[in-house]
Amino acid sequence: AQSVTQLDSHVSVSEGTPVLLRCNYSSSYSPSLFWYVQHPNKGLQLLLKYTSAATLVKGINGFEAEFKKSETSFHLTKPSAHMSDAAEYFCVVSLGFQKLVFGTGTRLLVSP
Amino acid sequence: GAVVSQHPSWVICKSGTSVKIECRSLDFQATTMFWYRQFPKQSLMLMATSNEGSKATYEQGVEKDKFLINHASLTLSTLTVTSAHPEDSSFYICSARARLAVNTGELFFGEGSRLTVL
Repeated sequence: AQSVTQLDSHVSVSEGTPVLLRCNYSSSYSPSLFWYVQHPNKGLQLLLKYTSAATLVKGINGFEAEFKKSETSFHLTKPSAHMSDAAEYFCVVSLGFQKLVFGTGTRLLVSP
Repeated sequence: GAVVSQHPSWVICKSGTSVKIECRSLDFQATTMFWYRQFPKQSLMLMATSNEGSKATYEQGVEKDKFLINHASLTLSTLTVTSAHPEDSSFYICSARARLAVNTGELFFGEGSRLTVL
């Protein structure tokens, strides 16, 4: 069975400082992994995805994530946080036709 | 990019009435559409999976007679909350899987519909 764990329910950073949102997955096979962002009362927007190509994935808005099979991790990073990055972030795992499995989400708070 | 439109974005209704929420894929054909429910400050809970032209598959614990799902075409799926009650108040989100994204599992999400039942 596949699952995903987001280790932090909340992460607080100051504007201009680095962002690290942690995600660990469990999957019997090579998974597809995604990071989605959700702003208040909005749907989910895809930030980036890993589908067994390059292990370092670059996404939109300066975000990137690195797939580390040995650590079963797919942490999301950004060098410098912006106020507009404040939102809920979901790590998601999928095995092709199978349903997506969502993490519990990490709320990113950005202070001036 | 692929766009999924959800309508209405918010709706308020009286207890006992039915509400229909539409989910449309605007620029691609969706082989499968998913309906989620999201409670405040929580993750998304999958309610059902619908494939065009066939009956929806509901997750355990979801009442199929209360949450009617129709997927009449490759670009439209509807969720009807029948005889709504205050406990049905929630944020409902649809997502669609494009034919080209079948192997990766990537989904495209609608903007969500907030239902408030008085």
